[in-house]
Amino acid sequence: GENVEQHPSTLSVQEGDSAVIKCTYSDSASNYFPWYKQELGKRPQLIIDIRSNVGEKKDQRIAVTLNKTAKHFSLHITETQPEDSAVYFCAASSNTDKLIFGTGTRLQVFP
Amino acid sequence: DVKVTQSSRYLVKRTGEKVFLECVQDMDHENMFWYRQDPGLGLRLIYFSYDVKMKEKGDIPEGYSVSREKKERFSLILESASTNQTSMYLCASSRGSRDSYGYTFGSGTRLTVV
Repeated sequence: GENVEQHPSTLSVQEGDSAVIKCTYSDSASNYFPWYKQELGKRPQLIIDIRSNVGEKKDQRIAVTLNKTAKHFSLHITETQPEDSAVYFCAASSNTDKLIFGTGTRLQVFP
Repeated sequence: DVKVTQSSRYLVKRTGEKVFLECVQDMDHENMFWYRQDPGLGLRLIYFSYDVKMKEKGDIPEGYSVSREKKERFSLILESASTNQTSMYLCASSRGSRDSYGYTFGSGTRLTVV
């Protein structure tokens, strides 16, 4: 079955710097890659997703890139702010609607 | 505002008890899922359902069962609770189609088994 690995497990950055979180997946049939943000004590919320027919997608300060050949995808956050502090999860899915999640990255943005 | 509602935010149960965790969604979604979230392990899929009265095992189904009698409701059952089932349980739903779509999560139920 699908396996998703996520790195790093923790990431600390200064406000205004960029943050990058990387994930790799094992199932070459995977074609949908969402990213979730979970603030302390709250539910995970979808922040951006990408399908396998595109290589990059941007939404304001966040972007996701996908390399199908290498089977990895990354989340990029630019101009980080303290409110970006949260746990971020990547996930992957083939046409089964079932998401397999990475183990999460705790991002801390220091003022 | 679309909603996935989990009936309890916190639960404390005794070892050996039968425990029911309820999840209701109001988005007419076909798919519903139960995950457990543990530090360092991420979200692990317990069971999921693509339709009423239908269920499929996820990656860690042992010790759990589910029920989906109505489209909007998906229940997770711990047949005989054990301390290693102490965890945060998250329910989610998504629309069913040929393409995968992101989930909407409930707020979670933090279960403690003593």
